[in-house]
Amino acid sequence: GQNIDQPTEMTATEGAIVQINCTYQTSGFNGLFWYQQHAGEAPTFLSYNVLDGLEEKGRFSSFLSRSKGYSYLLLKELQMKDSASYLCAGMDSNYQLIWGAGTKLIIKP
Amino acid sequence: DAMVIQNPRYQVTQFGKPVTLSCSQTLNHNVMYWYQQKSSQAPKLLFHYYDKDFNNEADTPDNFQSRRPNTSFCFLDIRSPGLGDAAMYLCATSSGAGGADTQYFGPGTRLTVL
Repeated sequence: GQNIDQPTEMTATEGAIVQINCTYQTSGFNGLFWYQQHAGEAPTFLSYNVLDGLEEKGRFSSFLSRSKGYSYLLLKELQMKDSASYLCAGMDSNYQLIWGAGTKLIIKP
Repeated sequence: DAMVIQNPRYQVTQFGKPVTLSCSQTLNHNVMYWYQQKSSQAPKLLFHYYDKDFNNEADTPDNFQSRRPNTSFCFLDIRSPGLGDAAMYLCATSSGAGGADTQYFGPGTRLTVL
């Protein structure tokens, strides 16, 4: 079956760095997406990886290892506004997104 | 600005009373999706349209129907809402140009069933 695993909740301190991990199992693979979702709002696109390695975009970076079925989202210089859920989604051979339940990130001052 | 719009943002209905949620987009995207998301859960795809071609997920209840009268608009009809249908309903679009399209979401409609 297809599955996305990510931690349910993480806590970090303002100004610090946090890494949110995601492992995936999909039927075929056409890339890995990360979305940010604030409470009560819609997901917003953060990043897409289809090749191995690190993609950096400002304070946020995303990493992919296809051989390990593994990705992480790295958030640097954390700000209070980064408190949100972070959703990992793998795209299968039919270009359908398989979603994780999200990791709720709590930022403390 | 190009965007995905959902109306209303909050909808209250009574058990068994039909309700329609709407979505419009100014992105001129070919593909439109409807997701259901319950608290702390992954979004669950209900169905999607590629242009006028309708694709229903196998486990989407018959209680849920959809219409796409033109490129810009898509509707979700819940024929007889039950208490278990209370959720956030998310509309998303993608270009449909092929390959790994990014999906762009509207703000969602939160449905309450009394």
